[in-house]
Amino acid sequence: NAGVTQTPKFRILKIGQSMTLQCTQDMNHNYMYWYRQDPGMGLKLIYYSVGAGITDKGEVPNGYNVSRSTTEDFPLRLELAAPSQTSVYFCASGQRTYEQYFGPGTRLTVT
Amino acid sequence: GQQLNQSPQSMFIQEGEDVSMNCTSSSIFNTWLWYKQDPGEGPVLLIALYKAGELTSNGRLTAQFGITRKDSFLNISASIPSDVGIYFCAGHSGANSKLTFGKGITLSVRP
Repeated sequence: NAGVTQTPKFRILKIGQSMTLQCTQDMNHNYMYWYRQDPGMGLKLIYYSVGAGITDKGEVPNGYNVSRSTTEDFPLRLELAAPSQTSVYFCASGQRTYEQYFGPGTRLTVT
Repeated sequence: GQQLNQSPQSMFIQEGEDVSMNCTSSSIFNTWLWYKQDPGEGPVLLIALYKAGELTSNGRLTAQFGITRKDSFLNISASIPSDVGIYFCAGHSGANSKLTFGKGITLSVRP
């Protein structure tokens, strides 16, 4: 099993550009999550999904969108990138809500 | 909202020393988890605790679920250089699909 994979690993965006961060898991987990991590601030939940076709907002959803058309994939979309979205983004999945397995992260810079 | 407190933000220890980290909350949690994040990687689940008073070990790591259900600690014995990283506690209340994370403690180990 590859676990949770994320692409790309690094990306630089200009203000106003859009992009999609990809996340795929091969463990057949129902639950998937997107977090952002800023230095010294821990992990903040952006969006989560309890299964294909179901998504919900987390703590910091503004400026982001998600979809969950399959069990395996949970892409995160940034429509109009802003400097405040410079961060490291982690996708996670789990079969139980209280055990989450993380991908390696995407480091995003918006300038 | 629920918050988990981890302090201090950084800890510096000598190789071979033991170190203990606390995580406290004003709210009750049903599950406590400890994650470690290596530099440039995603967090990895170290230990999960499911019952108040539970004491669980994983190699040189020992964690306990506080009897009040409002705290947990993680102990690392005989530290080695690869213990360097950020240690996060996380709690799950059972009320929804989300984990609450602490801000993390950055551990440095001097050889």
